[in-house]
Parts: sequence; structure tokens; C-alpha cells
Amino acid sequence: EVQLVQSGAEVKKPGESLKISCKGSGYSFTSYWIGWVRQMPGKGLEWMGIIYPGDSDTRYSPSFQGQVTISADKSISTAYLQWSSLKASDTAMYYCARGAFGQLWFDYWGQGTLVTVSS
Amino acid sequence: EIVMTQSPATLSVSPGERATLSCRASQSVSSNLAWYQQKPGQAPRLLIYGASTRATGIPARFSGSGSGTEFTLTISSLQSEDFAVYYCQQYNNWAALTFGGGTKVEIK
Repeated sequence: EVQLVQSGAEVKKPGESLKISCKGSGYSFTSYWIGWVRQMPGKGLEWMGIIYPGDSDTRYSPSFQGQVTISADKSISTAYLQWSSLKASDTAMYYCARGAFGQLWFDYWGQGTLVTVSS
Repeated sequence: EIVMTQSPATLSVSPGERATLSCRASQSVSSNLAWYQQKPGQAPRLLIYGASTRATGIPARFSGSGSGTEFTLTISSLQSEDFAVYYCQQYNNWAALTFGGGTKVEIK
């Protein structure tokens, strides 16, 4: 069974750093893209970026380029999304999702990680 | 960046009725269009890919159509579990995937 399990909710202060994770299981982790999607409170879905764990090829949405870093550790089948300096406006639910084989629609989703940034 | 525009923002439908949701792309995305359903407190769920292919386990009452810049998701007979928010997503441009703003299907 394909599963993406994300790390738990986080409460951080502005300026702090954060790295959240997404662990894949039940499939060949290195053969499928993993995407990250932001959903701000009461708002829609925003694509942040994608990574191909097999070779770490990474692409970012222009809106998120330079704001976050996406990485993966294929030895433990885990993708990451990290911030070096959080802002209150980063408060949102973050989802990871698997791109279908050779494609970029998302067929499996993680349960989401809620990040709250507040002083 | 390809902008995806969904309409209407909210659709009020009675159970058993047909719902028609629209998604328009600012430039052609060929058939590289997916639809997702999201219920409150849940992650999105893939419904349709390739503009018209139902994902595994998706009931036949969901159908997708269109190509180029105009797409439609039709729910033939709304069930109680179908009231949710629906998003389209283009994947024609792998360097810049984009989602539409969503259509909320609510009970009339």
C-alpha cells in the first residue's frame, strides 16, 4: 500500500528555522516525483515545488523560489521542506504528494503538516 | 505561469442533481489536466487525470472533458459525500504546475 506519512504539527516563532518531512512507503521512492503543496487557512492549493528523489532534480514555483528548500534522502525514502527564517505568513497546512509515474498529477497525498508561526 | 481559473466559486446543488464545474487555462495545456476533491480537514483526492480518465476507485458519476484551455468536471447525480471543494491542476508545464482557485459544491 502506497503511503506518504508527514511529520507532526509545528508551532514556531518568526525568524526560526524549520524542516518538515514526508516519508514514502509501499513503492519505489526513487522512481516518482514528490511535490509540496501549501494551503493557507481557508484558501486554495498552491504548488510549491517538486523533487525527483532518484537524482534530486528539483524545481520550484516562481512564488516559492528562494523562500523554501526542498530536498530528499533516498536512503530513508523521505522528502523534506525547509525554511531558514519563518514568517507569520508561512502559517499554513503543507501537503506532500506523489506524482504519478512519469507524470505530474498527484495520485497519493500525505495527511498534511500544520505549521503555525506566531510570536 | 499558466493561470487556471475555476468557475463558479460556489455551486449550490440539490442531492441527485447534476453539477457542472468549469476550469479555464490562460494558455493551452493540451489534455494535461487533473481534478481533485477536498473535504474539510482532509487531504485532496485525485479524481481525474488526462482531462478525462477517472482515477482508481472513482465512481462513474464523475466525468471530465475538454482539452486545450477549456475543461469541465461533471458529477452526474450528486451524492451527500460529493459536497466538497474541487480543484483543477495543469501539469503541462513541469517547471510551473498550477492549481485553480477551487469550486465549492454546497447543498442547496
